[in-house]
Amino acid sequence: GAGVSQSPSNKVTEKGKDVELRCDPISGHTALYWYRQRLGQGLEFLIYFQGNSAPDKSGLPSDRFSAERTGESVSTLTIQRTQQEDSAVYLCASSPRRQAPYGYTFGSGTRLTVV
Amino acid sequence: DAKTTQPPSMDCAEGRAANLPCNHSTISGNEYVYWYRQIHSQGPQYIIHGLKNNETNEMASLIITEDRKSSTLILPHATLRDTAVYYCIVRVASSEYGNKLVFGAGTILRVKS
Repeated sequence: GAGVSQSPSNKVTEKGKDVELRCDPISGHTALYWYRQRLGQGLEFLIYFQGNSAPDKSGLPSDRFSAERTGESVSTLTIQRTQQEDSAVYLCASSPRRQAPYGYTFGSGTRLTVV
Repeated sequence: DAKTTQPPSMDCAEGRAANLPCNHSTISGNEYVYWYRQIHSQGPQYIIHGLKNNETNEMASLIITEDRKSSTLILPHATLRDTAVYYCIVRVASSEYGNKLVFGAGTILRVKS
């Protein structure tokens, strides 16, 4: 597709359940990023994938959070045993080769509500 | 990556130029200045970036001071749809192990009719 696609756009889940969020980056973009944005707050970096290199997981807030990426395509962000504090918009972005000052293209996000 | 300082909010009249300042006094020689904006309920949108020369595209102009310690994003004819949070970010263009953008609080620009 032309842009970064995220699904679902909205997700309501019960506390304690696991959720999976999906991101389809722009074709050919080697780098993929996940961010979290709580209501009224700024963007928090979560994790970064670059090609076949080991991902930068430095932003994951706890071991309940994990993410995978298959090659240079789809990525899934998994949150286990969700808590109310996990409620936020989860944003995915992709960019072309790392060796260039390109901008990111963001998706529209997944709004997660934990009840 | 160098830190940036932006005013928390600004107002601009519709049709006038919006000038959004950013201070990055600790910027290094290999760090670029990037601008993004986030319209309510949407993901951030890339606007423009530059190293030391002024840059212009269809969305905006970026003016970087000669010492590179500050920059200004200019929206030449602001419209109501330009109301958004504007983020100024400084980072290296290429990094072997990480290229992530670190977003600060940004500037809330309110364009008023």
